[in-house]
Amino acid sequence: QSVLTQPPSASGTPGQRVTISCSGSSSNIGSNYVYWYQQLPGTAPKLLIYRNNQRPSGVPDRFSGSKSGTSASLAISGLRSEDEADYYCAAWDDSLSGRWVFGGGTKLTVL
Amino acid sequence: EVQLVESGGGVVRPGGSLRLSCAASGFTFDDYGMSWVRQAPGKGLEWVSGINWNGGSTGYADSVKGRFTISRDNAKNSLYLQMNSLRAEDTALYHCARDFLGGDYSRGFDPWGQGTLVTVSS
Repeated sequence: QSVLTQPPSASGTPGQRVTISCSGSSSNIGSNYVYWYQQLPGTAPKLLIYRNNQRPSGVPDRFSGSKSGTSASLAISGLRSEDEADYYCAAWDDSLSGRWVFGGGTKLTVL
Repeated sequence: EVQLVESGGGVVRPGGSLRLSCAASGFTFDDYGMSWVRQAPGKGLEWVSGINWNGGSTGYADSVKGRFTISRDNAKNSLYLQMNSLRAEDTALYHCARDFLGGDYSRGFDPWGQGTLVTVSS
């Protein structure tokens, strides 16, 4: 059972806009930044969004992040076949002695 | 090019020990915090442990606290994870990852290494 809650799957057709949600609590998303990672099949994860809505250099602006209260979301516009991957949200959690927590991951299928 | 290469994985019996290593190159290693993140077969990501730039601050997931020890050797540009009292549930691909923004380990992970597989089985 992951600390952050994501839908296990999402799908869309090329060109569509899809969103992936991530729900947490006051000790993680509610008080810290949210990060999003993309994991293409058979590869290591890659940072997609940092500090809620910032894109690292090289990440297309089709990817955007937002946060409100204890929830966050990742939006992908102009969906492309190469976006088919697993997506994970993460946040620092202030409970216990501090730790990173992840969502269970969302498998995005491009139909 | 920034590169992280893990090694030291393998098959070990329950209760056994392993020491993972992560060799870093392409950046100033002692400017960054580092973490270990694992992924059990077919499962999601789980943060295992983190260490700041000089080793003065470390953190562990509850699932490994007291059994795993993270360390680093800045002179050798290397990160380590000593894993003792291994259990079947520790079976996973272990990635090392650099802190995205700097010397702590609480500001995101990027880049990641490809991982080294640890299998705990009798």
